[in-house]
Amino acid sequence: EAGVAQSPRYKIIEKRQSVAFWCNPISGHATLYWYQQILGQGPKLLIQFQNNGVVDDSQLPKDRFSAERLKGVDSTLKIQPAKLEDSAVYLCASSLGRERAFFGQGTRLTVV
Amino acid sequence: QQQVKQSPQSLIVQKGGISIINCAYENTAFDYFPWYQQFPGKGPALLIAIRPDVSEKKEGRFTISFNKSAKQFSLHIMDSQPGDSATYFCALGGSTLGRLYFGRGTQLTVWP
Repeated sequence: EAGVAQSPRYKIIEKRQSVAFWCNPISGHATLYWYQQILGQGPKLLIQFQNNGVVDDSQLPKDRFSAERLKGVDSTLKIQPAKLEDSAVYLCASSLGRERAFFGQGTRLTVV
Repeated sequence: QQQVKQSPQSLIVQKGGISIINCAYENTAFDYFPWYQQFPGKGPALLIAIRPDVSEKKEGRFTISFNKSAKQFSLHIMDSQPGDSATYFCALGGSTLGRLYFGRGTQLTVWP
């Protein structure tokens, strides 16, 4: 079974620039999550999709972060403009139901 | 606000020893308590999970002990091996939305 695919693996940008991350979930998984993991901390949910609808974006900094899930499959997460404190690993996860989330390898973002 | 408190932050154990990681929570609305294992450069992977209707669950060398009245649960790794060296996260789940709240993580090092 193919896992959750994310790209790019690494990204370095200057502050105030924009960046986008891509995620392809496990086939058939209706639920897709984006988590932010700051160094030394546990993952924190940014946004959750059920098919192509948003069910929880309460922790998403909407002034600079946006996300979409086209046709209920792939998803992109965008940051514009980036701040230094956005340096983190961005993890995409997917699940069939409300348990057993499968995580991708993540995208490590460094904002300089 | 941190929903779950995890301790210790780091743990060093000799090969063959027992590793114990603890988590405590307050909100009794959660009904799914997973542990995730994360290796450097990888996303978290589900290790073992428990529901509050049982007090213990064992899978191979990994055991979750759950104390509902104390609102605590712990991960025990028996016969710890160098390959177990990783960061371990407890999490809370089970809301209708399916999102997980992660602890801050425990970095386990098993010396050969």
